[in-house]
This record gives sequence, C-alpha cells and structure tokens, in this order.
Amino acid sequence: NSKVIQTPRYLVKGQGQKAKMRCIPEKGHPVVFWYQQNKNNEFKFLINFQNQEVLQQIDMTEKRFSAECPSNSPCSLEIQSSEAGDSALYLCASSLVGKNTLYFGAGTRLSVL
Amino acid sequence: AQSVTQPDARVTVSEGASLQLRCKYSYSGTPYLFWYVQYPRQGLQLLLKYYSGDPVVQGVNGFEAEFSKSNSSFHLRKASVHWSDSAVYFCVLSAGTGGYKVVFGSGTRLLVSP
Repeated sequence: NSKVIQTPRYLVKGQGQKAKMRCIPEKGHPVVFWYQQNKNNEFKFLINFQNQEVLQQIDMTEKRFSAECPSNSPCSLEIQSSEAGDSALYLCASSLVGKNTLYFGAGTRLSVL
Repeated sequence: AQSVTQPDARVTVSEGASLQLRCKYSYSGTPYLFWYVQYPRQGLQLLLKYYSGDPVVQGVNGFEAEFSKSNSSFHLRKASVHWSDSAVYFCVLSAGTGGYKVVFGSGTRLLVSP
C-alpha cells in the first residue's frame, strides 16, 4: 500500500468552482511532485517542490493552479476556477533528494461538471 | 528528447500463462527505467526499477524486467500470471538525476482471462 496519502479520493466541482486536493508525502521524502493523468493515460507534470520551495512548474500551473507544501502540513494543489478539461486523476508523488524513484499516492479523481 | 513507447495498448493472456509487456525507450544518456502498475481506481505502484548492473531486475509479485541497451528496450515479464495481475502497466523513464525529467509510456492494459 502506498505511503503517500492523497485526499479526497474523489472531487466533483462545477465549472468555475475552486478544487483543492491534498497530499502527505512519504515520511522522510522532501521532494513532492504533482501530475495530471487524463483518461487517455497521458501524464502531465504540473509542479514539484523540495521542502517548501517550488523547483519547477509548467505555465498552466502558474496561471490557474496554485500549490504549496507548507512545513508540517499537507501539500496542496488548488485549481482556482475549474474547467471541464481539468477533469482527470491528480497524482502526487514523493521521493528522496537526488533519487529518481517516485512513489505515488492513490490520486484524487476530479470531475468538473 | 527522451521518449517511451509501449507498442501494445492491450494484451490478453490466460491465467497461468507467461507474459511479456514491451517497452522501448529513446534517450541518449543512461536512463533510469521503471515499471509501474495501476489497478482500477488506484495510483501507480512501483513494480521494479533499473539503473545499472545486472540487466535482469526482479520486482514484486514475480515480475522481472530485462534491460537491453542495444535494443533500447526494457521488457517486463512474468512466468505465470494470475487474474489479479489484470491492470494497466506503465513503463517510465527518468532522465538525469533527481526525478525531474520523467517520461511515461502510454500504458498497456493487461487482461488475464480465466
């Protein structure tokens, strides 16, 4: 079973609504990644953190998505104004610094109606 | 640029039969290669990984994979499949160090028939 905990498992929002999901990385893993997996099994990297600092993010993330990994709190990913195209499985993964192995959570499945 | 190709979108095998899921990669450097499995309504679970050393790596639940630099391949195998192996399998390449350049294959849906 995954040691990366994501909540909620399912999220249903209307267009224009905010959608927020959370991730607790595996204990001792300071690097956190967010990916979007669509129904065609295409994975899109969104953002990653090392501790509380953003390492990389894509343009889409900068505009409508916000994310943070505060100290001693779950990481979060929030979509400010949901669009139908945001419907997907959002996966959080964590890793050790300098290591390439990603450990994934079970995901949050977002449906935007 | 790096890429991963899983040429078989769907594979059906009978329970107890052997399995090979194919993966071809393109990367000029030395890749980190992974196989993950995704069960319905779940995230990705790591089956095995390879970076260097013995080209045949063992994973969980009887899975193994063989790395071939000459063929740019990293095929997944299992000697005898069980119905519970039905899932989607992803071949994943990580370039460089630190997991920041990750390329996912398109996945192979495995159906194990009774």
